[in-house]
Amino acid sequence: DAGVIQSPRHEVTEMGQEVTLRCKPISGHDYLFWYRQTMMRGLELLIYFNNNVPIDDSGMPEDRFSAKMPNASFSTLKIQPSEPRDSAVYFCASSSPPRQETQYFGPGTRLLVL
Amino acid sequence: GQQLNQSPQSMFIQEGEDVSMNCTSSSIFNTWLWYKQDPGEGPVLLIALYKAGELTSNGRLTAQFGITRKDSFLNISASIPSDVGIYFCAGQGNDMRFGAGTRLTVKP
Repeated sequence: DAGVIQSPRHEVTEMGQEVTLRCKPISGHDYLFWYRQTMMRGLELLIYFNNNVPIDDSGMPEDRFSAKMPNASFSTLKIQPSEPRDSAVYFCASSSPPRQETQYFGPGTRLLVL
Repeated sequence: GQQLNQSPQSMFIQEGEDVSMNCTSSSIFNTWLWYKQDPGEGPVLLIALYKAGELTSNGRLTAQFGITRKDSFLNISASIPSDVGIYFCAGQGNDMRFGAGTRLTVKP
């Protein structure tokens, strides 16, 4: 079975540009999570969805960040406009009940904003 | 989210040695998870613990869910070079929290 798929794997952009990160969860998983990982702050939960509905977005740093899940097999995390401090590795993870806390991570998107 | 207290931060060991790392928190958790992350990859789930006192093994890895529900440890026996990586604990209570990681280096 394919795991969580993320694209692109690497993204280099200039400050002010829009960035869109994509995720395909494991088929049949009802929960989808977006994380950010930096050396300074470690892994931080940004937002998670259940059955395509955003449940908790309290980790989204500011209005420049938005996430959508139009269907059960696709989600996007968008940053507009991007800033250098957004540089990090962004992970998508998915899980399914009854063990929704047991999350399976994708390979991540390494974002560098110049 | 707020980090768990994971220790040690790093370990340098000889191949064949056993390894032990742990995570503690002031909060009670319902689930403890241990992940390993290789460079350039996402965390991979190693062991999941769902019950206080639970002791679970996965090959050379053994993890326990502390009786107080505020801590967990991970042991690796007879380490090999491919054990190199960063090991993260995660605890699920009202939210999911992660440790800062233990960076393991294994010298052949």
